Amino acid sequence: SQTIHQWPATLVQPVGSPLSLECTVEGTSNPNLYWYRQAAGRGLQLLFYSVGIGQISSEVPQNLSASRPQDRQFILSSKKLLLSDSGFYLCAWSLVAGGRTGELFFGEGSRLTVL
Amino acid sequence: AQSVTQLDSQVPVFEEAPVELRCNYSSSVSVYLFWYVQYPNQGLQLLLKYLSGSTLVKGINGFEAEFNKSQTSFHLRKPSVHISDTAEYFCAVSESGYSTLTFGKGTMLLVSP
Repeated sequence: SQTIHQWPATLVQPVGSPLSLECTVEGTSNPNLYWYRQAAGRGLQLLFYSVGIGQISSEVPQNLSASRPQDRQFILSSKKLLLSDSGFYLCAWSLVAGGRTGELFFGEGSRLTVL
Repeated sequence: AQSVTQLDSQVPVFEEAPVELRCNYSSSVSVYLFWYVQYPNQGLQLLLKYLSGSTLVKGINGFEAEFNKSQTSFHLRKPSVHISDTAEYFCAVSESGYSTLTFGKGTMLLVSP
């Protein structure tokens, strides 16, 4: 069966510090991968998605970047965090072949607080 | 382009009462529809989905939803809620053949004794 893990679960960082959130998927090959952010009262915002190694699409301009160094690894980064980067970050994956319904499978989330 | 509207940001209800969470979507093509649940500080978990076939879809934890194409709705219902159903619920839509989900802003279901 497929599983998805992301870490760290919680993170408190000062303004201007770097960020790295990591997500890995097991039990499937060549998944689509996604990073979402939840800010209070604003629902889910799609930040990045990837259809393959090294292929990243950005949905909104921001202080963050994403990378996919391996097929089942997705990393969210920032060189200098802003207060507005605080939020709950969710990694997700979806099937590519055999059923493009769009169904997403989510990780446990990472709570980032920038002080 | 597809869009999803969840009309209620919060729905308070007493334990054992019925509940309906409303969801309307906008799309020019055939769609797939989903409801996800999120408990505090956790990721989203799939409750149920409509892909094709019967318009009444049953999911986990006693929830069900009905796809109404003419009203472009996919409302979520449960005949009797429990305290443990307190969570945020997200409706989502994807267009057939296109894999990115679009989410509504979520509805917080608050169940009190």
